[in-house]
Formats: sequence, C-alpha cells, structure tokens
Amino acid sequence: SQQGEEDPQALSIQEGENATMNCSYKTSINNLQWYRQNSGRGLVHLILIRSNEREKHSGRLRVTLDTSKKSSSLLITASRAADTASYFCATARGGETSGSRLTFGEGTQLTVNP
Amino acid sequence: ETGVTQTPRHLVMGMTNKKSLKCEQHLGHNAMYWYKQSAKKPLELMFVYNFKEQTENNSVPSRFSPECPNSSHLFLHLHTLQPEDSALYLCASSQPGTGALAKNIQYFGAGTRLSVL
Repeated sequence: SQQGEEDPQALSIQEGENATMNCSYKTSINNLQWYRQNSGRGLVHLILIRSNEREKHSGRLRVTLDTSKKSSSLLITASRAADTASYFCATARGGETSGSRLTFGEGTQLTVNP
Repeated sequence: ETGVTQTPRHLVMGMTNKKSLKCEQHLGHNAMYWYKQSAKKPLELMFVYNFKEQTENNSVPSRFSPECPNSSHLFLHLHTLQPEDSALYLCASSQPGTGALAKNIQYFGAGTRLSVL
C-alpha cells in the first residue's frame, strides 16, 4: 500500500533560518497535504497541493510537488521557536471518492532554537 | 480549537476494564475517523465512517469496537486491552467529496492519551 516517507526524521535549526522537509510516496495521488502536530496534540492541516499543481504558498510556507518523482517538499521560511513541532505529509489517493483514507508519513520533528 | 472534541484527554485502565472514548465534531462533516499514534510509528488508521456507516476497518483487533450513532459523534469502546495498546488515540472528521476536486482535509481532535496497565 501507499506510504509517505519524510526526511529528515529530525531537524534542528536556529530561529530565522529556513527549514526544508521532504516527503516521498509510492502511488498516484489526488492531492498531497502537510499537517503539523505539537507534542501530544492533534494534527492541524497546513496546506494542500493538488496533483496538477507544482508549487503553492501560504504565508511562510512553500510546498512543491513533483509527481514524476513522487515527492514533495515543505519549506518554512524565517522560522520561529513556535514552529517547533512534528510535520507530516499525507496523500489522498487518485481515483477514489473522498471521505476515505489519507496515508500519513512518519513525520519530521522540527526543533527551532531561540 | 479545530471543532473536534475528544474526551477524556487522558485515560489509565487495567487490562480487564471496559472504557469508551468519545469524539464529537461541530463542523457538519459526514466522515469520521479513528487513528492510533504510537511512539516512533506512523499514524495508523483504524476505522472510517461515512454518513454513519463503517466503510473501513483496518484489521483492528476486536477488543476495539467503534460506534457511530450519528454523523457528529463517534465512540471507541475498549475492553480487555493489552499494554501495547497504550498510545494516543486521535479522532478526525472531514467533508466527503468525489472526483479530482475532492480535498479530504481532515480536522483532528486533541486526542486521548491511553495507558494500559
């Protein structure tokens, strides 16, 4: 079955630096989403990119999608200590009705040091 | 607040106990999900409900029993659990759609931290 994989597993940077996380997947997708999870809490949706899109921006977030390589990246610019969290990519399969599964990756733990 | 409320937030139970987790969403969604999140493992989808009907059971042991009385409420009944069932249990909801324009953005509750002794 399809599985998203993020790398790196952990990333530690200084405040003000940019953070880049990558995600790979295996099968065709309808869209790819990024979620954030603060320690011990639920996931919060950040941004969605459709399979026919290549790049999307939302505030300090920039997502790219390369369907030929089955990969995506999430860039957080000018990071802040409050960005410290785990970040997950999730893929919605192509050819299915929604209200079904998202497949989540293992996540990248981002630590932003003040 | 995401509009999805889970109770209790923390639960400690013995292996012979019976308990229930509750999830309520105020978003008008018609799809609800249970996930299990264990340390150092990917999020595991357990159950999916669409319009109150179970549409997916991801080979979950029978000691976990879901119930969806209406589109706003979802329960997970627990009995004779094992210590390896200790985890964060997350509920989510989404608005179903069809075709290429469907988004399936999921809204999560804060989770129930379950410890099985």
